[in-house]
Amino acid sequence: SQQGEEDPQALSIQEGENATMNCSYKTSINNLQWYRQNSGRGLVHLILIRSNEREKHSGRLRVTLDTSKKSSSLLITASRAADTASYFCATDANSGGSNYKLTFGKGTLLTVNP
Amino acid sequence: EAQVTQNPRYLITVTGKKLTVTCSQNMNHEYMSWYRQDPGLGLRQIYYSMNVEVTDKGDVPEGYKVSRKEKRNFPLILESPSPNQTSLYFCASSAGTGGDEQYFGPGTRLTVT
Repeated sequence: SQQGEEDPQALSIQEGENATMNCSYKTSINNLQWYRQNSGRGLVHLILIRSNEREKHSGRLRVTLDTSKKSSSLLITASRAADTASYFCATDANSGGSNYKLTFGKGTLLTVNP
Repeated sequence: EAQVTQNPRYLITVTGKKLTVTCSQNMNHEYMSWYRQDPGLGLRQIYYSMNVEVTDKGDVPEGYKVSRKEKRNFPLILESPSPNQTSLYFCASSAGTGGDEQYFGPGTRLTVT
């Protein structure tokens, strides 16, 4: 099964409101990342949080990580219509020996209404 | 500008006709990989490469081949495409391991009829 699972699958809010998306994972990780994807386009890296970090900020983004609960949340404050996109969490996993790869969740579709 | 490029961006082909999707990065990255994205299934890794001449299978390698003869290029080859390979394909690269920040290409939308 997927290492990372986002919740909710879809979220619709009004411009100016905050948006919160959650991610749960199953096994221990080195880091957790959040990516954004505009419809049909390539994913863009937003933020990386390491397993020994609890919170990280980047502009209007705030990410938290709770390794005891194996969960993370992404908060977008003061949302804008341009924030409309799919958001994915990705966790690194050892795929054998020293090989690490990212495993992506299925994403949360965020719609910000003007 | 640092980027990952893919070509073609769109391709419609017929079953069994060999095709190659090219991927190139200009960041001198060690790690490159291919993903496919399908509705309801998210992104799944097809193949990855940790360095020149070092490639390995991802989660869904059946029906695909790759090669890494140069550090900057990582083409994806479909020897005999089938309709179930209709998908959106992404190439990605990272400086270190596959667990580091990934830089994605713009995607290739492939339709096999």
